[in-house]
Amino acid sequence: NAGVTQTPKFQVLKTGQSMTLQCAQDMNHEYMSWYRQDPGMGLRLIHYSVGAGITDQGEVPNGYNVSRSTTEDFPLRLLSAAPSQTSVYFCASKITGRTEAFFGQGTRLTVV
Amino acid sequence: AQSVTQLDSQVPVFEEAPVELRCNYSSSVSVYLFWYVQYPNQGLQLLLKYLSGSTLVESINGFEAEFNKSQTSFHLRKPSVHISDTAEYFCAVGSSSNTGKLIFGQGTTLQVKP
Repeated sequence: NAGVTQTPKFQVLKTGQSMTLQCAQDMNHEYMSWYRQDPGMGLRLIHYSVGAGITDQGEVPNGYNVSRSTTEDFPLRLLSAAPSQTSVYFCASKITGRTEAFFGQGTRLTVV
Repeated sequence: AQSVTQLDSQVPVFEEAPVELRCNYSSSVSVYLFWYVQYPNQGLQLLLKYLSGSTLVESINGFEAEFNKSQTSFHLRKPSVHISDTAEYFCAVGSSSNTGKLIFGQGTTLQVKP
């Protein structure tokens, strides 16, 4: 198993550009989520999904969209990037009946 | 609503000394408690977790944490640290409804000096 795979690892965007951060897991986990990590603020939940076709907002959803068409993939879309979205983004997944989440290696995004 | 507070942003310590990283939480419902570790330029790895039962939980690399319900704390301890323990440590809570949503503390950077 590759676990949770995030692509790209690094990205620089200009203000107003759009892009999609990819997240894939091969563990057949039902639960998937996106967090952003900022210095001194820990990780904050952006969006999460409890299964294919089901998504919901987390603590900081503004400026981000998600969809979950398959169990394996959970992409995060930035429609119009802003400097405030400069952050490190982590995707995580969890299987039903277990409590621990597995994290990807992160995507470091800089918006200039 | 749930929240987590890690009381120290940085903890410098000499190698082989003991260390305690403090974590307090608040929640109106039953929670699960976790400590995650993040090594430089890597993702988060689960260090240990408390679900129920014994209030003292241990990890395979010598860390332990004690759940204290009355003080709403889940402090992380290690009796003797190594250089390789240098990392950022995050305390997190999840609802016992087990949706996978986690609330994280601000993180504590453990700096182990030779």
